[in-house]
Amino acid sequence: EAAVTQSPRNKVAVTGGKVTLSCNQTNNHNNMYWYRQDTGHGLRLIHYSYGAGSTEKGDIPDGYKASRPSQENFSLILELATPSQTSVYFCASGDRERSDYTFGSGTRLLVI
Amino acid sequence: GDSVTQKQGQVTLSEDDFLFINCTYSTTTYPTLFWYVQYPGQGPQLLLKVTTANNKGISRGFEATYDKGTTSFHLQKASVQESDSAVYFCALVKVSGSFNKLTFGAGTRLAVCP
Repeated sequence: EAAVTQSPRNKVAVTGGKVTLSCNQTNNHNNMYWYRQDTGHGLRLIHYSYGAGSTEKGDIPDGYKASRPSQENFSLILELATPSQTSVYFCASGDRERSDYTFGSGTRLLVI
Repeated sequence: GDSVTQKQGQVTLSEDDFLFINCTYSTTTYPTLFWYVQYPGQGPQLLLKVTTANNKGISRGFEATYDKGTTSFHLQKASVQESDSAVYFCALVKVSGSFNKLTFGAGTRLAVCP
């Protein structure tokens, strides 16, 4: 069954440390996305990708980088983590024809 | 820019009550609209989708009607069950070339008491 898998499910990081969140999809979708979810804000787009080798800034990219080394994998990188980046992060994949996305189960990140 | 507004942060109902969740949107085009549902510990999943062609979506007893006049896309269900307790997101999609961007509302948390 086609799916989006995120790892780790939970992560505790120290302020100033580097954090990498990973995402793998078996949907063969060209587009992949990283969102963060915070109470009162819904889901906000951080970075997205059209395909392997491409990354683009979303609505709230500051403090984040992204990497798309292959069709299946899309990573979100926090080079210098801050407590304000404590959140739940969701990866999703999608294609132009369907319009909707398939989401992973999320990564809960706590920066202390 | 595009925006989606859900003013109800939380809705609490009893089983068999009628559900109404308000959603309004703002965009320069006639978008495709979605309702996503998120159960605890999971990512959002598509509940229903409505385009300008069909105007109404129905899924699992939930219904939403696309009203271009009032730019609204409210979610309704005649009789909720405890298993419907979840967070509901309204969203619209904007297509740019080969890229679809979903813009989400803030979400409405539904709690259904037995």
